[in-house]
Amino acid sequence: DSGVTQTPKHLITATGQRVTLRCSPRSGDLSVYWYQQSLDQGLQFLIQYYNGEERAKGNILERFSAQQFPDLHSELNLSSLELGDSALYFCASSGLKEGSADTQYFGPGTRLTVL
Amino acid sequence: GQQVMQIPQYQHVQEGEDFTTYCNSSTTLSNIQWYKQRPGGHPVFLIQLVKSGEVKKQKRLTFQFGEAKKNSSLHITATQTTDVGTYFCAGRGSGYSTLTFGKGTMLLVSP
Repeated sequence: DSGVTQTPKHLITATGQRVTLRCSPRSGDLSVYWYQQSLDQGLQFLIQYYNGEERAKGNILERFSAQQFPDLHSELNLSSLELGDSALYFCASSGLKEGSADTQYFGPGTRLTVL
Repeated sequence: GQQVMQIPQYQHVQEGEDFTTYCNSSTTLSNIQWYKQRPGGHPVFLIQLVKSGEVKKQKRLTFQFGEAKKNSSLHITATQTTDVGTYFCAGRGSGYSTLTFGKGTMLLVSP
């Protein structure tokens, strides 16, 4: 158990819909990362938040957005869903401080299926 | 942007055989990390390499970081069925930057 929790575990929805994925980082970790994992693309970095502020953006679509709340949990919002958005979405956390290197602890993931 | 290539994509070995996966970055890395993801699971951190030419061992696993800090390898000696999974390398560029993951090498071990 990494200490990172994600809900829900599975989500099935239809094209055009909007969903919210939730992540609670390990106790004390200030950084939260979101990744998308699909069979052909591996682990794609979407976005990182550090202590409530956006820190880095990766290959995140404009239809996707995220935020980190004062209690440090994070939500990833996916809207106008397309079939191609079906994937496993991981959240990871770390105690990363500015300028240091740190490991990332992954949650169990949310499997999103868009029909 | 930074790219991390990993080969092979897939390898199937017999239990007891050795296995190696290679990771190459398009740019010089400040450090590289390795993760393992079991089938149906999530990536789990294995190790981090920071110094040029660094070699680290964890039981049957040997990790190397190239002299130019642009490539790395993971070697497993005498594979076991418990080694099954996908092994990812993840490189971090200079200064403050996020990790860039390779696409992973899926290892299947037959008893």
